Amino acid sequence: EDQVTQSPEALRLQEGESSSLNCSYTVSGLRGLFWYRQDPGKGPEFLFTLYSAGEEKEKERLKATLTKKESFLHITAPKPEDSATYLCAVQAGNNRKLIWGLGTSLAVNP
Amino acid sequence: DTEVTQTPKHLVMGMTNKKSLKCEQHMGHRAMYWYKQKAKKPPELMFVYSYEKLSINESVPSRFSPECPNSSLLNLHLHALQPEDSALYLCASSQGRVGYEQYFGPGTRLTVT
Repeated sequence: EDQVTQSPEALRLQEGESSSLNCSYTVSGLRGLFWYRQDPGKGPEFLFTLYSAGEEKEKERLKATLTKKESFLHITAPKPEDSATYLCAVQAGNNRKLIWGLGTSLAVNP
Repeated sequence: DTEVTQTPKHLVMGMTNKKSLKCEQHMGHRAMYWYKQKAKKPPELMFVYSYEKLSINESVPSRFSPECPNSSLLNLHLHALQPEDSALYLCASSQGRVGYEQYFGPGTRLTVT
């Protein structure tokens, strides 16, 4: 069964303390792995798409990487405004339906 | 421009009311989606329109009725909802082919009384 698991469920960091969020997946025929950021009461904000193992993408303090089994979202020197829930989703085969992880709730303290 | 707009932002309705949620995108995307999201859960897919045709209905109760008037617009008609239908309703769009990221709107916070 296709599955996406995110860890940790919650993470509290001090401002400037770098860390990584994990998204492990088990799917047949990966078509894309997507990272989103979601603030409370708002729609998910698209961050990155990764397609194949070894691929990396960066945006400001965020860097996403992909292997054949998992993806990492590295946050370098986070700021309080990076506090949000980070969601990982995958698309497999010809199915438009995204398979979502439960998210990591990140809090960055000043 | 990667904006998806949704109206209204908030909606309170009784169980006997009929209301509609609206979504619009001008990115030329040919796939549009409705999701329902409960607190501390990921979005849950309801419907997918691909090239203006309904391609996925995730066994959603008939009190939710989607409509795609054209490639830029998506509506969700609501009738005889239950209190458990209260949630954040999200619209999203993506390029026509599978494998492209979905862009989400800000959502409509629906409360059923």
